[in-house]
Amino acid sequence: AIRMTQSPSSLSASTGDRVTITCRASQGISSYLAWYQQKPGKAPKLLIYAASTLQSGVPSRFSGSGSGTDFTLTISCLQSEDFATYYCQQYYSYSFTFGPGTKVDIK
Amino acid sequence: QVQLVESGGGVVQPGGSLRLSCAASGFTFSSYGMHWVRQAPGKGLEWVAFIRYDGSNKYYADSVKGRFTISRDNSKNTLYLQMNSLRAEDTAVYYCAKVSSGELPRDAFDIWGQGTMVTVSS
Repeated sequence: AIRMTQSPSSLSASTGDRVTITCRASQGISSYLAWYQQKPGKAPKLLIYAASTLQSGVPSRFSGSGSGTDFTLTISCLQSEDFATYYCQQYYSYSFTFGPGTKVDIK
Repeated sequence: QVQLVESGGGVVQPGGSLRLSCAASGFTFSSYGMHWVRQAPGKGLEWVAFIRYDGSNKYYADSVKGRFTISRDNSKNTLYLQMNSLRAEDTAVYYCAKVSSGELPRDAFDIWGQGTMVTVSS
């Protein structure tokens, strides 16, 4: 099965900061990668699919890049509502693996 | 609006069974593949199972293969997860989720339900 890793596992940031989260796949997955945001007690929310395509309704401060095995999620100007946990997910193989998550909290 | 609502969670003893349901509304349910995803308390997301829009293909995580069965009733706009031989490690919130593009399984999960809690404990 394809393994997904994320770094860092957590980070502290301030409103207005630029934040970058990295996701790596154990084998090439082309651009079959999604990013989700999850807040405590809530369901995950799709932010980005196909590695770099913004889901409808998601603010443009979120962006994604990468292909193959290495991917990044960038939040250009962190807002208070962005403090959450972020997961990457591959859907190249039918194991649909998620990364372990990156928790973004307030510095 | 597009909505998924899970039900059927609860407390069950190890070795027991439970059936979860996911009621869909606001979209043509019969045109979309569907997933179950779970999240153990304080842990990350784990994909559980997928079913094609017409029920013709099903895929399972190794951790549940042979114990869980995903199914759907397109006439009732409802997705199911039959869980047998439950173990303590199956304790989690279970979410149903819709495939973004429809027929193709290789796509992101664009709509999620609110989740239903399953606790396996004696």
